[in-house]
Amino acid sequence: ETGVTQTPRHLVMGMTNKKSLKCEQHLGHNAMYWYKQSAKKPLELMFVYSLEERVENNSVPSRFSPECPNSSHLFLHLHTLQPEDSALYLCASSNTGSEGHNEQFFGPGTRLTVL
Amino acid sequence: QQQVKQSPQSLIVQKGGISIINCAYENTAFDYFPWYQQFPGKGPALLIAIRPDVSEKKEGRFTISFNKSAKQFSLHIMDSQPGDSATYFCAAYTGSNYQLIWGAGTKLIIKP
Repeated sequence: ETGVTQTPRHLVMGMTNKKSLKCEQHLGHNAMYWYKQSAKKPLELMFVYSLEERVENNSVPSRFSPECPNSSHLFLHLHTLQPEDSALYLCASSNTGSEGHNEQFFGPGTRLTVL
Repeated sequence: QQQVKQSPQSLIVQKGGISIINCAYENTAFDYFPWYQQFPGKGPALLIAIRPDVSEKKEGRFTISFNKSAKQFSLHIMDSQPGDSATYFCAAYTGSNYQLIWGAGTKLIIKP
C-alpha cells in the first residue's frame, strides 16, 4: 500500500449504530487530519493530530470521536449520527517540518450515508 | 477574515481553451496559496502552489497568477483537455497552525 488509505470506502448506517472509519498513511508523516466534504462547500477541518496528540478540534459534535494510536493510524468513531452527517469523510497527512507549508496528502475518502 | 472565496462554482470550457478559476482572500497573514485537484472517487491532490513574493508560477499547462495588492489569485489552465475535468480547490495557509483555509471548489468540465 502506498500513500493514504481509508476503509471502508462506503458506509451506510442507522442513527443508532456505532461504526468506525480507519485511515492509514504510509508516507512517514507526523500529522494526520480528518475532514468532512459536503457538496458545494469548502472542506471542513474536523480534527488534527500532530505527533499523536490532538492539536485542533474545530467544534465538532461529540458524536464524532477521533483516535490516533500511532503516527500512521487514525480512526474516527461514529455514534448516534444524524442524517445531516452524511458526507465524504477525508483523511489526510502531512509533514510539518522545515518547509512548514503543510502539503497535505489525502486518502480517497469514506462516503458515509446516515439513514 | 479567514475565508477564501472561490469562483465560479462550475465552468465548462471547450477542449483547447483556457480555463480560469479565481480566488480572493482577506487575511494578509496568508503566506502560501496551493491549488488542489480532485477527481471523482479520489481525495484532493496538490496541483501547484505559490508564495506571495512572486506574481506568477507556471508548471506545464497550469499557471497561478497572484495579485498581492488586490488579495486575489487565479489558476489558468492552458490548452484545456478532457482529462483536466475535475473539481479544483484553492486554499490559503498562514503557517501559524495546521489549518488550510479552503475555497468552496470549482467543478470544471472540458468538452471534447
